[in-house]
Amino acid sequence: EDKVVQSPLSLVVHEGDTVTLNCSYEVTNFRSLLWYKQEKKAPTFLFMLTSSGIEKKSGRLSSILDKKELFSILNITATQTGDSAVYLCAVKSASIQGAQKLVFGQGTRLTINP
Amino acid sequence: NAGVMQNPRHLVRRRGQEARLRCSPMKGHSHVYWYRQLPEEGLKFMVYLQKENIIDESGMPKERFSAEFPKEGPSILRIQQVVRGDSAAYFCASSPNSGPTHEQYFGPGTRLTVT
Repeated sequence: EDKVVQSPLSLVVHEGDTVTLNCSYEVTNFRSLLWYKQEKKAPTFLFMLTSSGIEKKSGRLSSILDKKELFSILNITATQTGDSAVYLCAVKSASIQGAQKLVFGQGTRLTINP
Repeated sequence: NAGVMQNPRHLVRRRGQEARLRCSPMKGHSHVYWYRQLPEEGLKFMVYLQKENIIDESGMPKERFSAEFPKEGPSILRIQQVVRGDSAAYFCASSPNSGPTHEQYFGPGTRLTVT
């Protein structure tokens, strides 16, 4: 069965700290890995990674994928209270029926204290 | 360009009633996915639809749950004879096609509470 595991499940840091969120996966028919940020409502898209070793960057956030070790990390530098959210890792897997469905991890709940 | 829209945002049903959840994909998107998020759990895939076709319903419970995406109008997720265990957030996502490099855009979700 396809599986995505995130760690830690919960993280509390002070504003200005740097955090690293982890995501490992065991998925057949891997297509891509995505990171989402979920506050009280819809998950909002952060990154999509398809190739190993190529860092994606957006402001203070960056992410990289290791397809050999089946692993991805999401880094947030100089954290702000607005970064407090649940961060979801999802792997896009192609099913026999042709669906590009997302298999999600449990999420990491990040809390940034002022 | 409006995002994915879902309604209602909150729905309360008594055990045994029917719940109907609606999803309008982003303009230009013809692929719809439904996911369920149980309390303190990650999102789980339920069903993938294109217009007038169910492509993959491998994540749907075998009984009481059905989904459709008609030629006109929103996609509907229907839950018959709801039970307390159906209480969850139901998210819809859409994409322009089924390619591996297209992200799925999520709606705000419908929070179903069964009393």
